[in-house]
Amino acid sequence: GAGVSQTPSNKVTEKGKYVELRCDPISGHTALYWYRQSLGQGPEFLIYFQGTGAADDSGLPNDRFFAVRPEGSVSTLKIQRTERGDSAVYLCASSLIAGVNEQFFGPGTRLTVL
Amino acid sequence: QQQVKQSPQSLIVQKGGISIINCAYENTAFDYFPWYQQFPGKGPALLIAIRPDVSEKKEGRFTISFNKSAKQFSLHIMDSQPGDSATYFCAASMDGTASKLTFGTGTRLQVTL
Repeated sequence: GAGVSQTPSNKVTEKGKYVELRCDPISGHTALYWYRQSLGQGPEFLIYFQGTGAADDSGLPNDRFFAVRPEGSVSTLKIQRTERGDSAVYLCASSLIAGVNEQFFGPGTRLTVL
Repeated sequence: QQQVKQSPQSLIVQKGGISIINCAYENTAFDYFPWYQQFPGKGPALLIAIRPDVSEKKEGRFTISFNKSAKQFSLHIMDSQPGDSATYFCAASMDGTASKLTFGTGTRLQVTL
């Protein structure tokens, strides 16, 4: 079946603007994760959902970042008042059950803040 | 605070050789250690993972060696092939889960003909 999909694949925005990044997990996967990967670095954990609720949001850098998963499937990562330092690849992953099964990663959304 | 340190940053190996990538961790609560492979423009993909109750795990050409007392683990790629050229990340998580992964900084592997 289809893997994790993320849209858009690339997003260019101006400093101060609001952006939304979307993640479609593998069908049937109950857990969904967001990571951020800066150039030349490993992915950095942001938040994960088990079902509709955020089980751990300790990686969100500040209150400009917010994520939702209202129906327990698709998730949206929202960034307000974007800053140049937010430029990175935002990766989404899903797993059948959080903490039990392998995380499958999507290709990421490359966000560039000018 | 970098909780998982990875080396080397880059590695060039001849075809057929052995590629070795090392990681060290600080948090003794970590108890799940996966390795991921990432090609340009793609997301990371799980290669192999180990838990600290074993010292070695082998899957095909890939082997993880784990030293709990030294808080180190390594990935060995035997008979390296040009198709193995990618960036490799070690990672770790706590409480026996794979929920919140802490990644190393990555090793860019190039396998030459």
